[in-house]
Amino acid sequence: AQSVTQPDIHITVSEGASLELRCNYSYGATPYLFWYVQSPGQGLQLLLKYFSGDTLVQGIKGFEAEFKRSQSSFNLRKPSVHWSDAAEYFCAVGIGAAGNKLTFGGGTRVLVKP
Amino acid sequence: DVKVTQSSRYLVKRTGEKVFLECVQDMDHENMFWYRQDPGLGLRLIYFSYDVKMKEKGDIPEGYSVSREKKERFSLILESASTNQTSMYLCASSKGRNSNQPQHFGDGTRLSIL
Repeated sequence: AQSVTQPDIHITVSEGASLELRCNYSYGATPYLFWYVQSPGQGLQLLLKYFSGDTLVQGIKGFEAEFKRSQSSFNLRKPSVHWSDAAEYFCAVGIGAAGNKLTFGGGTRVLVKP
Repeated sequence: DVKVTQSSRYLVKRTGEKVFLECVQDMDHENMFWYRQDPGLGLRLIYFSYDVKMKEKGDIPEGYSVSREKKERFSLILESASTNQTSMYLCASSKGRNSNQPQHFGDGTRLSIL
């Protein structure tokens, strides 16, 4: 069965600094990959997705992610963090099975220092 | 924009009660999902449905059931609530049968079982 690992439970970053969140997956083929963000008290919002093609994908809110097949990774990055980026971030993997199921990582909570 | 609406943001129930959580989506999506979210565990899939009156077990279906009588509505039922079902519950929907379609989430229901 596929699995998703987000090694960092918490990350603290200063406002204006760069941010990178790690995501590793375990699956035999190239899966569909997603990053979601969850602000406090809210549901999940899609940041970006990767299906095929260019391995660097751009998303909303200035985020980007890079798919590296050799490392089974899909890390999320932002060059300059804003206080409003404080949230929990989830990486998710989809496989080509009926029902459009996703497997989620455990999440990384990002704290932004002023 | 897709709108996924969960009927309650907060709910408090007693052990042994039968609890209904309701979810409605307005985009004619085929697939609907129920997750529970617990700290450090990410999102875990309880049940999903890819068509009216169809349901499939997810990773943690024990103690839960679901109902999908209409395409836009997907209900989660706790047959006899227990304290270990205290959690945040998230509903999601998506289009089509291919898992490259992102899931769209409601704002969640925080359920407390006393």
